[in-house]
Amino acid sequence: EIVLTQSPATLSLSPGERATLSCRASQSVGVYLGWYQQKPGQAPRLLIYDASNRATGIPARFSGSGSGTDFTLTISSLEPEDFAVYYCQQRNNWPLTFGGGTKVEIK
Amino acid sequence: EVQLVESGGGLVQPGGSLRLSCAASGFTFSTYRMNWVRQAPGKGLEWVAYIDSSSGSVHYADSVKGRVTISRDNVKNSLSLQMNSLRDEDSAVYFCAREAGGCCHYLDYWGQGALVTVSS
Repeated sequence: EIVLTQSPATLSLSPGERATLSCRASQSVGVYLGWYQQKPGQAPRLLIYDASNRATGIPARFSGSGSGTDFTLTISSLEPEDFAVYYCQQRNNWPLTFGGGTKVEIK
Repeated sequence: EVQLVESGGGLVQPGGSLRLSCAASGFTFSTYRMNWVRQAPGKGLEWVAYIDSSSGSVHYADSVKGRVTISRDNVKNSLSLQMNSLRDEDSAVYFCAREAGGCCHYLDYWGQGALVTVSS
């Protein structure tokens, strides 16, 4: 099973600041990594697929990069609605696995 | 509008069984792969099971393998998860999720979830 480790666990930032979230895989997943956003009481929302492709309707301030074992989700300028928990997920191998999440909170 | 609505959650004793259902609408259900993902209270996401569009291929997480069966009815636009021999650690919100059409194994639409509580 591929283990995804996200860091930091919590990121405290102010609106307008840049957020950089990391996801590291225990073995290479190629570019087969996605990112999700989840707000309290809501289902997750797909943001990025295959490392760097924005899903339908996702604003351009969200971008993804990386390959192999190291991936980054960047939010260029935080909007109030971006404070949430973010998860990475790999699709390279069964079972599908998610990272433990990074909470982006208001500083 | 794509909609996924789970039902069948509730309180069940350890060792008991429960069947979750997911009613799909707003898209051609028979052409999409589907999954179940769960989230224990205050915890992260855990993928549970996958089924392809024709029920020809299924996959399960090791934590539920042998105790859980995913199935679908493409006539009724419905996805199911039969869960047996339930344990305390199976307590979670269970989400039904559709895979994105153009790129496999990413989940682009999710239901609001069904809460399963395993407790005596």
